[in-house]
Amino acid sequence: AQSVAQPEDQVNVAEGNPLTVKCTYSVSGNPYLFWYVQYPNRGLQFLLKYITGDNLVKGSYGFEAEFNKSQTSFHLKKPSALVSDSALYFCAVRDHLGSQGNLIFGKGTKLSVKP
Amino acid sequence: GAVVSQHPSWVICKSGTSVKIECRSLDFQATTMFWYRQFPKQSLMLMATSNEGSKATYEQGVEKDKFLINHASLTLSTLTVTSAHPEDSSFYICSAKRAGDGYEQYFGPGTRLTVT
Repeated sequence: AQSVAQPEDQVNVAEGNPLTVKCTYSVSGNPYLFWYVQYPNRGLQFLLKYITGDNLVKGSYGFEAEFNKSQTSFHLKKPSALVSDSALYFCAVRDHLGSQGNLIFGKGTKLSVKP
Repeated sequence: GAVVSQHPSWVICKSGTSVKIECRSLDFQATTMFWYRQFPKQSLMLMATSNEGSKATYEQGVEKDKFLINHASLTLSTLTVTSAHPEDSSFYICSAKRAGDGYEQYFGPGTRLTVT
């Protein structure tokens, strides 16, 4: 079965420090991977995606993610966290078994950045 | 570009009534729209997939007679929660795929439904 795992319910980081939000996946075929951010009572905002090409993907708001095929991981990173980065982060993979290309989401990781 | 809106942003209704949620792609044509449900502090669960002009495909366990989905045009899909009950209270989010864009989904801001 295809799935996405975000092993951490919450990540706490001090402002200015680097942050990592972890994601691992299990899919059949080549993975199409996505990161989204959700602020309270809001929809999802797209951060970045990996389809093919360079393993290091740069996205919005200074975020980046590294695709690691051997470890089946796609961790989200940022060199210097901001308090405004505090939000809920979702990793997702495209469902190759479905005909419509829907996404399978991880459970989400709450990022808390303290001043 | 690629903006998706939802209306209303929040709604309170009484048990037994029906409520309609609209999902619109404002600046692109959406061949496929998805409806998700999100419980507090949980992930998004796909409810159904709709294609313009055809019947929606529902995920296992989702009652199609309760959650009516209509995708009447390339810019509008609606979700109607019929005979709503308190357990239907949730955050409903739609997303849309742009014609010719195979990989990306564009999400609406969500609709908070509270059934009293």
